[in-house]
Formats: sequence, C-alpha cells, structure tokens
Amino acid sequence: KAGVTQTPRYLIKTRGQQVTLSCSPISGHRSVSWYQQTPGQGLQFLFEYFSETQRNKGNFPGRFSGRQFSNSRSEMNVSTLELGDSALYLCASSLVAGGNSPLHFGNGTRLTVT
Amino acid sequence: ILNVEQSPQSLHVQEGDSTNFTCSFPSSNFYALHWYRWETAKSPEALFVMTLNGDEKKKGRISATLNTKEGYSYLYIKGSQPEDSATYLCAPSNTGNQFYFGTGTSLTVIP
Repeated sequence: KAGVTQTPRYLIKTRGQQVTLSCSPISGHRSVSWYQQTPGQGLQFLFEYFSETQRNKGNFPGRFSGRQFSNSRSEMNVSTLELGDSALYLCASSLVAGGNSPLHFGNGTRLTVT
Repeated sequence: ILNVEQSPQSLHVQEGDSTNFTCSFPSSNFYALHWYRWETAKSPEALFVMTLNGDEKKKGRISATLNTKEGYSYLYIKGSQPEDSATYLCAPSNTGNQFYFGTGTSLTVIP
C-alpha cells in the first residue's frame, strides 16, 4: 500500500510569491491534515479536511489556505510569502477522523523563502 | 489550543540503558493521546494511541501509560538500542481530529 505522498520535496521561493503544496493520502483515507514545523517549535496544526470539507483550522493567517478534492488529495496554498513561512510542511492522512486513528505522515515539503 | 509539554527536551543514554520520557497536557478537552517516533530524514511514525485512563500499550521494548485525570503520559524504552535514536512526540487529540504536538524528546543512544 502506497504511503502518503507529498510534492514537491523542496521549494525555494521569494517573498511575496505564492506556493502550492500537494498531498496524496493513503488509499481509503478520507481525512487529510497539514502541519508546519519551524526550528524549536512542535508541529503546528494548520487545517484538516474530511470529505472535501475543512473541519478545523489552526491559528494561522488567512494567507494559508487549502482544499481537498473528491479523490481525497489535498493542496495547501500560501500566498504573499514571508520569510517566517520557511518551514517543513507535513501532510498526514488518517482512516477515520475521530481523533483516535493514528496519523500517517508524508515526507514533507521543505519550503525556503528568501 | 492545548499546552503540551514534553520532558526532557533531549537525552543521551548508553546502549542497553532503560529510559523514560514524560508528556504533560491539560486533562480537559481531551479525547486521545498519541505517541510518534520521528527519525532523522524520515516522517513521523505512529507508536501508540491511548484513550482510557490507565491505558497501557506495548510494542516490543517500548511501552506507554496514560493518566487522563492528572494529564500525563509516560513512554518507556527498555534496553535502548542505537536504532531507537529519534525524536519522540506526544500529541493529545480532540474528537475533531485536531492534534496538539509537543516539541518532543530527542533521544540519542550511544553504542
């Protein structure tokens, strides 16, 4: 069974640009969530999607948005990039969305904003 | 937002030593407690999911316990091996599938 796939693995962007990250969950998983990790910080929750609906959103500005497609694939978009957006972005899928199903993580996208 | 604290922040042990880490979290607004292992250059891997007070889970040399009333969980590693070197993350979750990760305990096992 294929794992969670994130593309691209690495991205370098300049301030003010926008970026789109992609995540393909494990087949059959309908919940997809996104996390940001910056140095010294734990994984910070961005948002969670289930059946194409955003159910939860973390404490991030509106520049961070996402969506989920009917095949459960998800994209995350960051507009007007800032230097502080440089981070590792992890996507995770789970079989059910009740909080007691383990997350399966992708390898992440390393975003560098210059 | 849940304030999740993990201690110690980092740990160096000799091969064969047993060790344990702590995860503290507010006991209200809690549904499940997850432990993950994150090895360098890999993605986080789920170890345990616990929901009930007094839960104990075991996977090989690694085990975990949960106290929901006082808001803490312990992770134990018996006879540490170099391949156990990783960052161990805990994360309480709510019923909305929102997880609150601690900053982790970085374990280095010295051969």
